[in-house]
Order: sequence, then C-alpha cells, then structure tokens
Amino acid sequence: RKEVEQDPGPFNVPEGATVAFNCTYSNSASQSFFWYRQDCRKEPKLLMSVYSSGNEDGRFTAQLNRASQYISLLIRDSKLSDSATYLCVVNSGKTSYDKVIFGPGTSLSVIP
Amino acid sequence: SAVISQKPSRDICQRGTSLTIQCQVDSQVTMMFWYRQQPGQSLTLIATANQGSEATYESGFVIDKFPISRPNLTFSTLTVSNMSPEDSSIYLCSVATVNSNQPQHFGDGTRLSIL
Repeated sequence: RKEVEQDPGPFNVPEGATVAFNCTYSNSASQSFFWYRQDCRKEPKLLMSVYSSGNEDGRFTAQLNRASQYISLLIRDSKLSDSATYLCVVNSGKTSYDKVIFGPGTSLSVIP
Repeated sequence: SAVISQKPSRDICQRGTSLTIQCQVDSQVTMMFWYRQQPGQSLTLIATANQGSEATYESGFVIDKFPISRPNLTFSTLTVSNMSPEDSSIYLCSVATVNSNQPQHFGDGTRLSIL
C-alpha cells in the first residue's frame, strides 16, 4: 500500500460545480497534513493546511478524519482558474518541517 | 515566506555529463530538501540537505549520483551526475524553518532534459 493515495482522476467539471477530492494515508503517526496545488509546468504551491477541526478558506474546505486516516478537499463554485493538479501531502514525522510524502495528485479541469 | 531562486530554470544536456543545480534562499532556513518530479508523476524526495554535514538520502538515491552541498543556511546545490535519459525530470528545492510551524515551500524548479 502506498503511503499516500488519492483519487486517480482526472476530474472534469463545469464551472460552478462542487467537486471533492479524497486522500488516505497509511502512517497513523502522521501529524500534519496539507493540500498543495500544482499548475502545469509549475512548482507546487501550498493551498491550505488541514486541521483536525476542519478548516475553510473561501471556496475551499479541508477535512481530516484521523480515525479513518482520511483527508478531503472540497471546492465549491469551481472556477476555470481552479484547473490544476491537487496534491495531498502528509508529514511523516512530528514537526511541520519533517519529511513529507506527496500523494500522486488528482487532476482537475474546470470546463466553461 | 522566504523567496527561493533556482538556477538554471531549464537545461538540455548530453548523456554522461553532469549538471549542478543551485538553490538560493533570501533568508536563513533550517531545512532544505531536494525533490524530483518525473513526467506525469508526483514529487519524490531525493535527500535532505544538512548544513555543514553530509545530506540524508532517501531509499533509491545515492550520494555518488546526486551529490549535495549545503555550505550555509541560505544555499544548497544538487548535482545530477553521469546523466542518462532516465534523469530527465523536474528537480525542485524546498525549504522549511524549525519552529515556524509553516509547511515547506518550493522553488520554481529546474527542468532537465537528457538527450
């Protein structure tokens, strides 16, 4: 089993749609979780950290379920500019700067 | 957050040659990492660059192939040695700072193609 797994995608959705991505991780000792966004031929950029209580940033909502070792990202009212690959990232240690493991990514295309 | 500059941004190299990639940060950071992203794949950690000591390599990566230097808290280099077409990839530097509670963030990468 891979350390971090994501929905394989790709997701092709119309503008305005709501889309959800799922991620599971295998290391129960993991402490920190993130969603990164990677545009084509660009470096990954932090989208948001994922907190135990769940967190929201505008149209984006992240949830964490430690018992199920599951992370989700919900995007509401999709925009064309949301088209990118979304990477689930899990910290393998106890501090935010420890080694992180990247999921394979889920590709999203928002269609006019 | 720190500004990270990677050089070169891209290169095309002949097989059997070596290329050194530089990562410069505009502030002192504790941790510097080197990743590889092969075409259509996610990121794989190559090694953690340790200031003043040998880098810590991940399984499948060795110092002879990917020598790393980190002479100070703002600079690191990754050399891709004796390159083959399989080394064609994006190489990314990332940084993090102890006690900042901030996740890693990345330089804009070096796109390397081997002929």
